[in-house]
Amino acid sequence: AQKVTQAQTEISVVEKEDVTLDCVYETRDTTYYLFWYKQPPSGELVFLIRRNSFDEQNEISGRYSWNFQKSTSSFNFTITASQVMDSAVYFCALSELTQGGSEKLVFGKGTKLTVNP
Amino acid sequence: DVKVTQSSRYLVKRTGEKVFLECVQDMDHENMFWYRQDPGLGLRLIYFSYDVKMKEKGDIPEGYSVSREKKERFSLILESASTNQTSMYLCASIRFGAGGGNQPQHFGDGTRLSIL
Repeated sequence: AQKVTQAQTEISVVEKEDVTLDCVYETRDTTYYLFWYKQPPSGELVFLIRRNSFDEQNEISGRYSWNFQKSTSSFNFTITASQVMDSAVYFCALSELTQGGSEKLVFGKGTKLTVNP
Repeated sequence: DVKVTQSSRYLVKRTGEKVFLECVQDMDHENMFWYRQDPGLGLRLIYFSYDVKMKEKGDIPEGYSVSREKKERFSLILESASTNQTSMYLCASIRFGAGGGNQPQHFGDGTRLSIL
């Protein structure tokens, strides 16, 4: 079965440091999607990025960047010059084809990031 | 603005009650999901639906059922609530495939359910 591993349970950094959140996945599917979500203390899950398995280009959005490497089954997320408002739990997720032909999401357990002033 | 709306942010019910959690999306997505989130366990999939009247069990369906009578609405039902179902429940609406494109994948704000 598909699996997403976020080995870092908690990370604590000081403001302006760069931080990388790791995500390693396992899948049998040849076509799949990878996602990152942010969950701030208020509780809502905020979509950050969706990546198709055929698109290995790295992506940058402001201070956020993502490194997708199929060879190592990793989809890592880097925050540059972290800010206190980046403090949140971050989830990596993988789409999985079901036996019935539909798709569902499999989530990692999340990494809690604390950015201290 | 597109969104996923969960009927209640906080809910308190008693053991044995039948509990309904409602989720509505306005993005015409085929796929809808119910998760529960518990500390240290991340998000665990309860049930999902890929079309009207279609449903599939997730990883932890025991004690729950769902209903999808209309495309925009997906209901989670606790048949007889128990204290171990106290949790945060999250609904999601997602379009997979090429049609997903750059559309954001939305979650509702969550329902924090307490069973006393």
